[in-house]
Amino acid sequence: SQQGEEDPQALSIQEGENATMNCSYKTSINNLQWYRQNSGRGLVHLILIRSNEREKHSGRLRVTLDTSKKSSSLLITASRAADTASYFCATDGGYQKVTFGTGTKLQVIP
Amino acid sequence: DTEVTQTPKHLVMGMTNKKSLKCEQHMGHRAMYWYKQKAKKPPELMFVYSYEKLSINESVPSRFSPECPNSSLLNLHLHALQPEDSALYLCASSQDRTAYNEQFFGPGTRLTVL
Repeated sequence: SQQGEEDPQALSIQEGENATMNCSYKTSINNLQWYRQNSGRGLVHLILIRSNEREKHSGRLRVTLDTSKKSSSLLITASRAADTASYFCATDGGYQKVTFGTGTKLQVIP
Repeated sequence: DTEVTQTPKHLVMGMTNKKSLKCEQHMGHRAMYWYKQKAKKPPELMFVYSYEKLSINESVPSRFSPECPNSSLLNLHLHALQPEDSALYLCASSQDRTAYNEQFFGPGTRLTVL
């Protein structure tokens, strides 16, 4: 299985601080995506990084990808209470056969 | 319209019941997915439809039967489920199955099997 392992499993920070979560995976990928899930509801796509990219930005989000180490990180800068959610990395080995990582539960304290 | 809708939001059923979950999108997407998510776990892929044809079945028990009547609709028929099948069932769609398309998720149906 190329399921990603994420760490930390849970993260609690103060509003305004940065949050970093990491994802490791096992096999080669076409791309890696990050999703957010609020309270056991649907997932929202945050950002996609292709296997030939090393870094990508979207608003307050910064994603890095190191294919040699089979790892990725998601940085949320200047966190807000509304960022409280679970965050999942998702690897696509091909043809949208997506495998989700174990997830990081982020709590941002106002 | 960038929304995937799922009905019902909640479903409680007995082990002898037959029920169906429904998913709909009007984004013109040609790939649709069913995922199962247990509490505190990541979503797990169950089925993938591409151009209304079943492309992937991740060894899902036959008590789950998917159907794609047209390009906008995806159903999941449930029969003789077990209590361990209780979970959040998520539907998603993407433009197609090429590698760089994001998946759009519905809010899910929370299923409880008694």
